[in-house]
Amino acid sequence: ETGVTQTPRHLVMGMTNKKSLKCEQHLGHNAMYWYKQSAKKPLELMFVYSLEERVENNSVPSRFSPECPNSSHLFLHLHTLQPEDSALYLCASSLGGGNSYNEQFFGPGTRLTVL
Amino acid sequence: AQKITQTQPGMFVQEKEAVTLDCTYDTSDQSYGLFWYKQPSSGEMIFLIYQGSYDEQNATEGRYSLNFQKARKSANLVISASQLGDSAMYFCAMRVYTGTASKLTFGTGTRLQVTL
Repeated sequence: ETGVTQTPRHLVMGMTNKKSLKCEQHLGHNAMYWYKQSAKKPLELMFVYSLEERVENNSVPSRFSPECPNSSHLFLHLHTLQPEDSALYLCASSLGGGNSYNEQFFGPGTRLTVL
Repeated sequence: AQKITQTQPGMFVQEKEAVTLDCTYDTSDQSYGLFWYKQPSSGEMIFLIYQGSYDEQNATEGRYSLNFQKARKSANLVISASQLGDSAMYFCAMRVYTGTASKLTFGTGTRLQVTL
C-alpha cells in the first residue's frame, strides 16, 4: 500500500452505534489531519496531530474522539452521532509537523451515513 | 479570520482549451501559502500546485499554473490543454502559520466539466 489509506470507504450507522474510522499513511509523514466534507460546504478541519500530539481541535463535538497511537495511524472514534454528521470524512498527512507549508496528502475518504 | 472565495460553482470547457478557475482570499497575515486541490468523483483530494506568499514568480506544474496577484488577493488556477480526465471538483485552499499548527482553509470549490 502506498500513500494515505482509509477504512472503511463507506459506513452506515445508527445514532446509538459506536464505530471507528481508520487512517494509515505510508509516506513517512509526522502530521495527520481529520477533515469533514459536507455537501455544498467547504472542507472543515476537525483535528490536527503533530508528532502524535493533538495540536488543533476545532470545537468538534465530543461524540467525535480522535486517537493517534503513532505517526502512521490515525483513528476517529464515533458514538451517538446525529444525522447531520453524515458526510465524507477525509484524512490527510504532511511532512514537517503541523506548522510547515508542505502540502497535505489526502486519503480517499470514508462516506458516513447516520440513520 | 481567513477566508477563501470561489465564485464559480460550475464551469464547462472544451477539450484542448484552456480554462481559468477563480480564487480570492482574505487574510491579514503576511506569510501564507495557497494551494489548489482536485477532487475526482472517487473522493480523494489530489494536490496540484502551491504558491507561497513571498514567491515572486507564479507557480507552474505541467499543465497547471497559478496566476498569483497579491495586491488583488487572487490566486487563479489556469489549466491549459484541458483533458476529459480533468473533469472534477477543484478546491482552492490557504494555509496560515499559526505558531502551533498549520491550518488549511478551503473554498467551496468549482466543478469543472470538460466536454468533447
